[in-house]
Amino acid sequence: GAGVSQSPRYKVAKRGQDVALRCDPISGHVSLFWYQQALGQGPEFLTYFQNEAQLDKSGLPSDRFFAERPEGSVSTLKIQRTQQEDSAVYLCASSLEAPARAWATEAFFGQGTRLTVV
Amino acid sequence: GIQVEQSPPDLILQEGANSTLRCNFSDSVNNLQWFHQNPWGQLINLFYIPSGTKQNGRLSATTVATERYSLLYISSSQTTDSGVYFCEAGANNLFFGTGTRLTVIP
Repeated sequence: GAGVSQSPRYKVAKRGQDVALRCDPISGHVSLFWYQQALGQGPEFLTYFQNEAQLDKSGLPSDRFFAERPEGSVSTLKIQRTQQEDSAVYLCASSLEAPARAWATEAFFGQGTRLTVV
Repeated sequence: GIQVEQSPPDLILQEGANSTLRCNFSDSVNNLQWFHQNPWGQLINLFYIPSGTKQNGRLSATTVATERYSLLYISSSQTTDSGVYFCEAGANNLFFGTGTRLTVIP
């Protein structure tokens, strides 16, 4: 597609429910990033994929958070047993090359998924 | 990871005024971008500027990589410039600053 697409745009989950958030990156982009943005805060890094390899998951807040990108394109962020503190906007970004490269590393963001846990 | 700090955290301007937003980063970076987050939460790419200077209309940006900072200049500000401006920087990964909330009043 022309841009990064995320679905759903809005998700309301009952506490304890599992959720899955989807990210379709720009076609051909090697790198894919997930961020969590709480209300009034800046985006916080969660995890990074280079193709299908998850190279950095240091930002995942707990073992309830899991991300995958099995074929190196679409990615899913799964949150198990959701809690109220998981309420946030989850942003996905992709870039043509890996950040360590000195070119073509501009990141493009989707519109995000707003998760509300009640 | 790299620490990214932005200043000022809040800025209120009269329409027509100029402003400078600053981004400091703690280590060498390959990637530096400036974004404007619109009221619907979308991050709009302003500049991809790991080094050097770029201009786009009333906006311009300069990154001095050796001194680990970047500046975003907004000239002749308009009310539509209001919102939060983020700097994102990194080498092996990408990290956001805490943002500058700009309010332009008529």
